[in-house]
Amino acid sequence: GAGVSQSPSNKVTEKGKDVELRCDPISGHTALYWYRQSLGQGLEFLIYFQGNSAPDKSGLPSDRFSAERTGGSVSTLTIQRTQQEDSAVYLCASSYPGRDEQYFGPGTRLTVT
Amino acid sequence: QKEVEQNSGPLSVPEGAIASLNCTYSDRGSQSFFWYRQYSGKSPELIMSIYSNGDKEDGRFTAQLNKASQYVSLLIRDSQPSDSATYLCAVNFYGNNRLAFGKGNQVVVIP
Repeated sequence: GAGVSQSPSNKVTEKGKDVELRCDPISGHTALYWYRQSLGQGLEFLIYFQGNSAPDKSGLPSDRFSAERTGGSVSTLTIQRTQQEDSAVYLCASSYPGRDEQYFGPGTRLTVT
Repeated sequence: QKEVEQNSGPLSVPEGAIASLNCTYSDRGSQSFFWYRQYSGKSPELIMSIYSNGDKEDGRFTAQLNKASQYVSLLIRDSQPSDSATYLCAVNFYGNNRLAFGKGNQVVVIP
């Protein structure tokens, strides 16, 4: 079946601009996660959505970062007033109800110039 | 601070040999453990999950879990050049709704 999809695959933006990254989880997966991976860094958790529950935003690095999930499916991660340190690969993952295994999408490579 | 440690440097193994990767974690209450494979420029791909002490085999991969010693390992038997990648250890710490990842181990299989 179809895996997690993310768009765009690459995004180059100027410092100070806002960006939106999109994730479409695997059909039937109720949990959705955002991570980022910077050069030389490990995977860093950002935010977690489970069904209609309030999201776990504890990993968001600043208030410039926000995310929403509409209709329990597609999610959008928004970064306002981008900074150069926001340059990274942003990865979305989803998991089946009651399961811990997370399946990753291809990621969005964000470059802030 | 809950941590996942993968301390070994790049691992070079000849084709057909066994590659052995180790990972330790800080939280004794951790429940589930995963190995991901990440090719250069690609996203992580789940290759193994393990929940109970002991060994779990899937094809050429074997995951080993020892909760008392807080380590999980991955063995790759009959290593192939296509196994050349970075392997990430991930742990679902008790009470958390996310995975904590180690920094990864690069494996290079030499033909």
